[in-house]
Amino acid sequence: EAAVTQSPRNKVAVTGGKVTLSCNQTNNHNNMYWYRQDTGHGLRLIHYSYGAGSTEKGDIPDGYKASRPSQENFSLILELATPSQTSVYFCASGTGDTLYFGAGTRLSVL
Amino acid sequence: GDQVEQSPSALSLHEGTGSALRCNFTTTMRAVQWFRKNSRGSLINLFYLASGTKENGRLKSAFDSKERYSTLHIRDAQLEDSGTYFCAAERTNTGKLTFGDGTVLTVKP
Repeated sequence: EAAVTQSPRNKVAVTGGKVTLSCNQTNNHNNMYWYRQDTGHGLRLIHYSYGAGSTEKGDIPDGYKASRPSQENFSLILELATPSQTSVYFCASGTGDTLYFGAGTRLSVL
Repeated sequence: GDQVEQSPSALSLHEGTGSALRCNFTTTMRAVQWFRKNSRGSLINLFYLASGTKENGRLKSAFDSKERYSTLHIRDAQLEDSGTYFCAAERTNTGKLTFGDGTVLTVKP
């Protein structure tokens, strides 16, 4: 079974602070993704990666950076967190056929 | 951009009954996936379809790329089926998915 682990599971941050969300996958998938999901809406793609060293902008990249230092790890970085970034963040890895999601990180920016 | 219109936004079923969820696409999609978000917040893969239909237990899904829609049928609903169901479609072979807004399914005794 594909495994995607996110940390932390919950995070409270202050406006203007730096936040790093981490994702680790043991599936040896080339592709990894960061989505956010807001109540009443579907997931929206922030950044994605095709492999170590690569990051690509998704549909809503503003205010976020990403880092893929290795095949297994993909981080999402909020350099200056804002209350509008309060959301649930999902990391996923996958092949061309399907995506496997982590359990999500609930971020609150106060 | 690509849009996925999912309906209904909420659905209430009694145990043992069934219904269908639907997603319409504003453009031709190459594949669709269905997910369920359970009470713990985890997203569970239900189906991946590039065409045709698939069935798994009490769930059945269909995808028609030409007509730009996909459906998820639930029969004999059980309490544990409650959750939020999402469809997600990809237009190109990049793994980038566009999600519908979800259907909140509540199954009642």
